Amino acid sequence: AQKITQTQPGMFVQEKEAVTLDCTYDTSDPSYGLFWYKQPSSGEMIFLIYQGSYDQQNATEGRYSLNFQKARKSANLVISASQLGDSAMYFCAMREGTGNQFYFGTGTSLTVIP
Amino acid sequence: EAGVTQFPSHSVIEKGQTVTLRCDPISGHDNLYWYRRVMGKEIKFLLHFVKESKQDESGMPNNRFLAERTGGTYSTLKVQPAELEDSGVYFCASSQVIGPSSYNEQFFGPGTRLTVL
Repeated sequence: AQKITQTQPGMFVQEKEAVTLDCTYDTSDPSYGLFWYKQPSSGEMIFLIYQGSYDQQNATEGRYSLNFQKARKSANLVISASQLGDSAMYFCAMREGTGNQFYFGTGTSLTVIP
Repeated sequence: EAGVTQFPSHSVIEKGQTVTLRCDPISGHDNLYWYRRVMGKEIKFLLHFVKESKQDESGMPNNRFLAERTGGTYSTLKVQPAELEDSGVYFCASSQVIGPSSYNEQFFGPGTRLTVL
């Protein structure tokens, strides 16, 4: 079974608007971490934000916030005030507390329209 | 501080040939990971080194893939002989922290795009 599911292959957003990228996960481990990475056309994977399973509050990093709904097993990324430079692939990933590998989703391609 | 680097950035080979990919992790990072993304699919774990030792190679597709990390610094991933289905982007990542905490940020390289014709 897929551990990370990203159901939006592609998304468009108007510049300066907010956008939500969906991510659901599947694990039976009570301890896990959720990560979002951005991959621009240059290819590098840039870490954006982290949410631990025991964190009480949603993680925020500048314009990025993570809408963590534990009961629903979702960890959606919210980008506020979109910029043209936000156009990229976005990957949701999970690390289970008992392991070292990351499980990734298939990614969402975000295009910011001027 | 230099990030994770990978060489080459692109490689185009014919089926049956051999290709070796190289990854230089961030200096001081004991943990090194290889991942692969086949077109349109998720990025999948291949294996994990702790220093020069293979900690977990459960994701390696078959014995045509050989990863090494002599001396615990850079790592190579050799595919021999390459098949069409090996095409994809191969990512390397490194990290410093290991332990029970779920926070273990992995720093990724830009990837090597491998095309097997």
